[in-house]
Amino acid sequence: NAGVTQTPKFQVLKTGQSMTLQCAQDMNHEYMSWYRQDPGMGLRLIHYSVGAGITDQGEVPNGYNVSRSTTEDFPLRLLSAAPSQTSVYFCASSYSYGPGGENYEQYFGPGTRLTVT
Amino acid sequence: DAKTTQPNSMESNEEEPVHLPCNHSTISGTDYIHWYRQLPSQGPEYVIHGLTSNVNNRMASLAIAEDRKSSTLILHRATLRDAAVYYCILKVIQGAQKLVFGQGTRLTINP
Repeated sequence: NAGVTQTPKFQVLKTGQSMTLQCAQDMNHEYMSWYRQDPGMGLRLIHYSVGAGITDQGEVPNGYNVSRSTTEDFPLRLLSAAPSQTSVYFCASSYSYGPGGENYEQYFGPGTRLTVT
Repeated sequence: DAKTTQPNSMESNEEEPVHLPCNHSTISGTDYIHWYRQLPSQGPEYVIHGLTSNVNNRMASLAIAEDRKSSTLILHRATLRDAAVYYCILKVIQGAQKLVFGQGTRLTINP
């Protein structure tokens, strides 16, 4: 298994540009999520999905869109990049989200380092 | 969300045990205690989790206080590869699997 993969590893955008951060997992996990990590801070949840066709907002969703058309993929879209979105983005997946889901660990990808100038 | 409190940093020597404390005085009866670590320039990695009883796995041990208001992650013999930021997280069972990351403890291992 490749686990959770993310592309690209690095990206530089200009203010106002749009882009999509890709995330894929090959573990048949129901639950997928996106976090951002700013310097000196812990991870903050952006959006999450509990299955194909189902997404919801986390604690910092503004400026980001997501969709989940397949179990494997969960792309994160920046519609109009802003300097405040400069961060490291992590995608994560987990086997189950419902009762009993608390017993399952989340698997994280290697991250995408995004700089918006 | 229930919060956790951890020391900002700790230091230990190679091949010695390390005890990483975490306070979670507002924990509810259904919150699981999870520990993750993040090595430099990598994504977080699961370490261990528990609810009420102490837990052991190949990476570490988790000691949970009887009142569940605190817990301790124990690395039995630290190696240089254990140098990382360690996060103590309370995982709620309602709704989505939300991991609320705090600042974590930066662990330095001296050779």
